[in-house]
Amino acid sequence: EAGVVQSPRYKIIEKKQPVAFWCNPISGHNTLYWYLQNLGQGPELLIRYENEEAVDDSQLPKDRFSAERLKGVDSTLKIQPAELGDSAVYLCASSPGMNTEAFFGQGTRLTVV
Amino acid sequence: GQNIDQPTEMTATEGAIVQINCTYQTSGFNGLFWYQQHAGEAPTFLSYNVLDGLEEKGRFSSFLSRSKGYSYLLLKELQMKDSASYLCAVKADSWGKLQFGAGTQVVVTP
Repeated sequence: EAGVVQSPRYKIIEKKQPVAFWCNPISGHNTLYWYLQNLGQGPELLIRYENEEAVDDSQLPKDRFSAERLKGVDSTLKIQPAELGDSAVYLCASSPGMNTEAFFGQGTRLTVV
Repeated sequence: GQNIDQPTEMTATEGAIVQINCTYQTSGFNGLFWYQQHAGEAPTFLSYNVLDGLEEKGRFSSFLSRSKGYSYLLLKELQMKDSASYLCAVKADSWGKLQFGAGTQVVVTP
């Protein structure tokens, strides 16, 4: 069974440019998460979806970040415009339900220069 | 606020045992997870505790004491491939949101 797939693996952009990340969760997983992980830190939740509904986006900086999960499957996370401090690894995870473990993708390492 | 503490780094010899402690103070508790993360890789699930006591899974065991806000992950018969960061994460609400600690980097030496 395929795991959580993210693309791209790496992205380097100049500040003020837009960037988008894509995530394909494990088939049948209704819950999808986007996490941000800085070097030497644990992941921090940005947004959580139950099917196509964003049920927890309290940690998402909505002035520059946006996310969508059309049809309750794939999801995209966008940053516009990117800032130097956005350099981090962006992890997508999915789970079959609320009370089960999350399965993580390999992440997208973003470098803003 | 939410607080999850674990040591930054631990070093142990191949074949030895290492215990990684995690203490937490969260607004709620609906379970504690341990994940392993190799450098540049995704976190992978190791264990889940929701009731007090010890959960054993091969060379890895995890313990939970809810009254003390404390958990540990025990790695036995250490192998070189166990060198990784180990993340303690608490599910603080019933909706599945995980709060992660900063991770403990375990270095296994020959």
